[in-house]
Parts: sequence; C-alpha cells; structure tokens
Amino acid sequence: GAVVSQHPSRVICKSGTSVKIECRSLDFQATTMFWYRQFPKQSLMLMATSNEGSKATYEQGVEKDKFLINHASLTLSTLTVTSAHPEDSSFYICSARDPGVGGWNTEAFFGQGTRLTVV
Amino acid sequence: DAKTTQPTSMDCAEGRAANLPCNHSTISGNEYVYWYRQIHSQGPQYIIHGLKNNETNEMASLIITEDRKSSTLILPHATLRDTAVYYCIVRALWGSASKIIFGSGTRLSIRP
Repeated sequence: GAVVSQHPSRVICKSGTSVKIECRSLDFQATTMFWYRQFPKQSLMLMATSNEGSKATYEQGVEKDKFLINHASLTLSTLTVTSAHPEDSSFYICSARDPGVGGWNTEAFFGQGTRLTVV
Repeated sequence: DAKTTQPTSMDCAEGRAANLPCNHSTISGNEYVYWYRQIHSQGPQYIIHGLKNNETNEMASLIITEDRKSSTLILPHATLRDTAVYYCIVRALWGSASKIIFGSGTRLSIRP
C-alpha cells in the first residue's frame, strides 16, 4: 500500500514553545490530508482536514490558531502546535488520501504517528 | 459521532478464526463499511472495505448482511501479531461524509 511518513516520531518540548510535525506522502500525491489526535486509551479524534492549496477545515472545538495546518504541496502537510502546554501532550496522527489514477481511489493511509510530550 | 457500535473487547485463541462484529444500522446507501486496526503506539492500518458484497483479501474477510445494518470482520487464522484495536467505520467516498471518523473500536487480544 501507499506510504505516509510522519516526522518526528517523538518530540519533547518546553511549555510555551511551538512544535511542527510533518506528514509526507512518499509515493503518491495527496490532495487531501487529515490530522488526528489520540489521548491514552482513547480513540482517534479528527482535528482537521487539509486540502492542497487551500485553508484547512477544522472540526468543532479545535482551535485553528493553536493548531496551524499548512498543506502547501501535494506531498507535504504540516501541523504546528503553537504555544504548547502539557495538556497538548498527545499522539498526533496524519492520514493522506491517495486519489489514484483518474482520481477515483479514495483510500486513506496513515502515518506512524508523532508522540508529543510538553514539559 | 461515530455511526457504528462494536464490542469493547474480545479475545481469541491463536490459530482460530477471530470474528469481530459491527452494527451500523443507520448506514446510508452511498456509504461503505471500512475496517482499520491500530497496533499499540502505531498509526491505523487499512484492512478491508465493502459496500454490500462480501469481500476477501490477504488479511481478512468482510461479511455484510443483506440489509447492510451489520457486518463481521473475519481474521481466518489469528496470530499474536493480530492483537490490536479494530475499528469499523462507515463512510462515503466523496464529500464531507468521506471523513474517517473513529469510534471506540474493539480491543482484540489473541491468546497463545
């Protein structure tokens, strides 16, 4: 299947600083990417949907000024957690949709996740 | 909100078939049934999907009832590496309804 890579896999940052997480589709062009957050022992929660070249669409309750999403190219989306606080510590996962030949394929593939710890 | 209900947990003996049920009684005509699994501290992995016909691939089989209100994921010969949380999801292929919204999933434990 298609490969989606996230970087870094783990990051520790100080409270008040910003952290950028990258999500890359390695062997396909992803017009749509999704960002999720997962707290321990909980399911994945969709944070936002990003489409290449346009503004991200955030889910209800997700602060767009705190979680900045940029999808500047068909293979890269970034999530920046601004002014991070300990409560932002979580497992962040991205997903990219592979449109396939003709754009009819709508499979979504997931990155390996980024564990953020804010101290 | 997730549109599916699954048992919280299940267990299965290694080498036996694992049958994971899922209810999706409000599924729409244009929505597919997808299954993903998440092994601890990893991203979700796609398993299989279907619309109304039963499907099989190298990982699993998907049985969808005729009324499409429920389905069963079958892992034919479970191994210890199949221990994971399994998510049943219904989604359309296009538009806002194509977002993948995760429910609580079923935590499957494979015992030796």
